[in-house]
Amino acid sequence: DIQLTQSPSFLSASVGNRVTITCRASQGINIYLAWYQQKPGKAPKLLISTASTLQSGVPSRFSGSGSGTEFTLTISSLQPEDFATYYCQQHSSHPPTFGGGTKVEIK
Amino acid sequence: QLQLQESGPGLVKPSETLSLTCTVSGGSISSSPYYWGWIRQPPGKGLEWIGSLYYSGSTYYNPSLKSRVTMSVDTSNNRFSLRLSSVTAADTAVYYCVRQPFPSVTATFDYWGQGTLVTVSS
Repeated sequence: DIQLTQSPSFLSASVGNRVTITCRASQGINIYLAWYQQKPGKAPKLLISTASTLQSGVPSRFSGSGSGTEFTLTISSLQPEDFATYYCQQHSSHPPTFGGGTKVEIK
Repeated sequence: QLQLQESGPGLVKPSETLSLTCTVSGGSISSSPYYWGWIRQPPGKGLEWIGSLYYSGSTYYNPSLKSRVTMSVDTSNNRFSLRLSSVTAADTAVYYCVRQPFPSVTATFDYWGQGTLVTVSS
């Protein structure tokens, strides 16, 4: 199985801050990396697929980049509704796997 | 708007079989090219893909759970099901049913049910 390692596992930031989360894959996955946002008590929501494709309705302050084994999710200006846990998921090979998550909290 | 809704017992005894159903509304489970699946999340922990299926009945399971998992589809009632046998406390989790927007088990997951907590305890 492909292992995904997210860093940091926790970050504290203020509204308006630029935030970057990294996801590293144990082997190359081309661009087949997705990002999800999960708020407490809710199901995850797909934000980005194929490393950088923003899903319909997702604010443009979210962006993704990377290929191969290293990927990043960037929130250009953190908003109150962005405080959540973010997960990466590889959709390159079976079985699909997820990173351990990054919790973004209010500073 | 597509909606997925999980249903089933919230408490299962150790060594017994966990059974859940996902009812799909706002769209047909027989619509190509979607796959339908299950993901679980132990309390306070990360996400684990359990398996996916196609409306034709083709199934794909996580190798780590394959020996205990059975998934099936009921197209006439627009729903699909999960059975996980010989459960232990480690199977305690929120179980989500999901849709995959491409005909591949390695696709992303674009629609999710609200999730249902299943606790394994005597």
